[in-house]
Amino acid sequence: EPEVTQTPSHQVTQMGQEVILRCVPISNHLYFYWYRQILGQKVEFLVSFYNNEISEKSEIFDDQFSVERPDGSNFTLKIRSTKLEDSAMYFCASTLEGLAGGTYEQYFGPGTRLTVT
Amino acid sequence: AQSVTQLDSHVSVSEGTPVLLRCNYSSSYSPSLFWYVQHPNKGLQLLLKYTSAATLVKGINGFEAEFKKSETSFHLTKPSAHMSDAAEYFCVVNGGSQGNLIFGKGTKLSVKP
Repeated sequence: EPEVTQTPSHQVTQMGQEVILRCVPISNHLYFYWYRQILGQKVEFLVSFYNNEISEKSEIFDDQFSVERPDGSNFTLKIRSTKLEDSAMYFCASTLEGLAGGTYEQYFGPGTRLTVT
Repeated sequence: AQSVTQLDSHVSVSEGTPVLLRCNYSSSYSPSLFWYVQHPNKGLQLLLKYTSAATLVKGINGFEAEFKKSETSFHLTKPSAHMSDAAEYFCVVNGGSQGNLIFGKGTKLSVKP
């Protein structure tokens, strides 16, 4: 069964450093998402991406964050200058249809645990 | 604004007994509701979804949920718990037209032998 993959599974970085989290969505999917889960807290929406542009973003997704689909397979989340509070599990998700689609389902990757020291 | 409230942070049942995980939602329009499960060190997996069709929704692994508009609830049930059901369960509502999801805090289900 096709699945969303994410690399690395765990990333440790120093405060102020740039990190890039990588995701390979399911190959025929069109909508892409990033979520994060700070330890002990809810999973929170960060950003959605469709047709090579951001379609929606949350308040969390400030100027330090950016997303890109550099080729036909990868979907990346970049944090320009990491802060301690960016430490979290980051999940990538993809779906074939928009919400109005009858078979709408977001498929999630296993996550990347980001630790900022 | 859309939101979901999972009423229990932890539920413990014995194997073979029923499971009930409670969820209430708040929505300014007709919601789409989902239950996701997360096993340790695994990604989030969709159990079932409600998208304005039948109010009783059947999902994978014997789980089902009933959408009750009058009670703004979407509780998850299973008649007989199995050890492999031990995981964290998230009640989720659609947050907007672009399909972003809003998660509850999660309910950790423990299953005792």
